[in-house]
Formats: sequence, structure tokens, C-alpha cells
Amino acid sequence: RKEVEQDPGPFNVPEGATVAFNCTYSNSASQSFFWYRQDCRKEPKLLMSVYSSGNEDGRFTAQLNRASQYISLLIRDSKLSDSATYLCVVNLGTDKLIFGTGTRLQVFP
Amino acid sequence: ETGVTQTPRHLVMGMTNKKSLKCEQHLGHNAMYWYKQSAKKPLELMFVYSLEERVENNSVPSRFSPECPNSSHLFLHLHTLQPEDSALYLCASRSGNTEAFFGQGTRLTVV
Repeated sequence: RKEVEQDPGPFNVPEGATVAFNCTYSNSASQSFFWYRQDCRKEPKLLMSVYSSGNEDGRFTAQLNRASQYISLLIRDSKLSDSATYLCVVNLGTDKLIFGTGTRLQVFP
Repeated sequence: ETGVTQTPRHLVMGMTNKKSLKCEQHLGHNAMYWYKQSAKKPLELMFVYSLEERVENNSVPSRFSPECPNSSHLFLHLHTLQPEDSALYLCASRSGNTEAFFGQGTRLTVV
């Protein structure tokens, strides 16, 4: 089983839609989690940190389920500018961040 | 605007060349990372330096050689690379268990 698994997509949604991505992880010792956004040919940038059960920032909500070992990212009222690849990242300690393959989102008019 | 700066942004090199990638962070972090991102693959961790000591080397071929002279600078020395080494090389830094900050990457093409 991969350490971090994501559905690669693409998810094609219209503007204004709500879309959710899931990410599962295999190591129960995972300490914290992050969602990053990566635009084409650019570096990943932090979208949200998840240290406890979840986090919310405007249209974005992340939820953590430690019992089932998954993290979700919900995007409400999708914008064209949300089109990107969303990377799930698991923190296993100071020296180890494990990245998922990413889920590609395409928002269309 | 990023606190992690990578140079060069683009690099084309022959298989017999020797080149170096440079990363500099201005965030006061104590850990620095090299990642490789190939097309349609997840980021692959190559090297980790924590407090200037190498703490992880994920079975990276010896044609990649890292150097961390101080907590703000990280190099990746390249020699006799193969075409399959063509990728985006990303440097990142962090402290403790916080998020990592990435540089803009070096897009490497080996011909």
C-alpha cells in the first residue's frame, strides 16, 4: 500500500460547484497533514495545515479522520482560478514529509 | 515572493557535463530538502539536511551529490547524468513539524 494515496483525477467541475478530494495514508504515526496547491510547472504552495480534526479557511475545508486514516479537502463555490493540482502531504516527523501524487482539478465556465 | 530561492531556473546539460543547483533560504529554517518531480509522478524525496547534517538519502544515485555548507544554503552537484534524470528539482525548507516552503525549482533537461 502506498504511504499516501490520492485519486489523480482529473475532476472537471463547473464554476460554483462544490468538489471534494480524499487522501488516505498508511502510517498511523502520522503527526500532521497539509494540503498544497501546485499550478502547472510551478512549485507547490501551502493551502492548509491540518493538525487536529480539521481546518477551515474561506471556501476551503479540510477534515481529518484518524480512525479511518484519511484527510479530505472540500472546495465550495469553485472558481476558475482554483484549477490546479492539489497535493496531500503527510508529516511523519521533522525530517519526513510524504507527498501524494496529487489530484488535478479543472474548473470550467 | 518566496523565502526560498533556487538557481538556475532552467538548465540544459549534456551527459558528460558537471553542473550544480543552488538553493538559498531566508526563513531561518533548520532543515532543507531536495525533491525530484518527474512528469506524472509524485514528488520524490532525494536528500534531507537537518542542522547541516544529512539525515536521509533515499537511495539516490551517486551522480547526484548534495552539499550543505550552512543552514541557509544547499547545493546539488550533478555529473554524468542520464536523460531520465530530466525533471523539476525542488528545494524546500522547514523547521520542526511545520509546513515546508518551496523554491521555484530548477527545470533540468539532460541531452
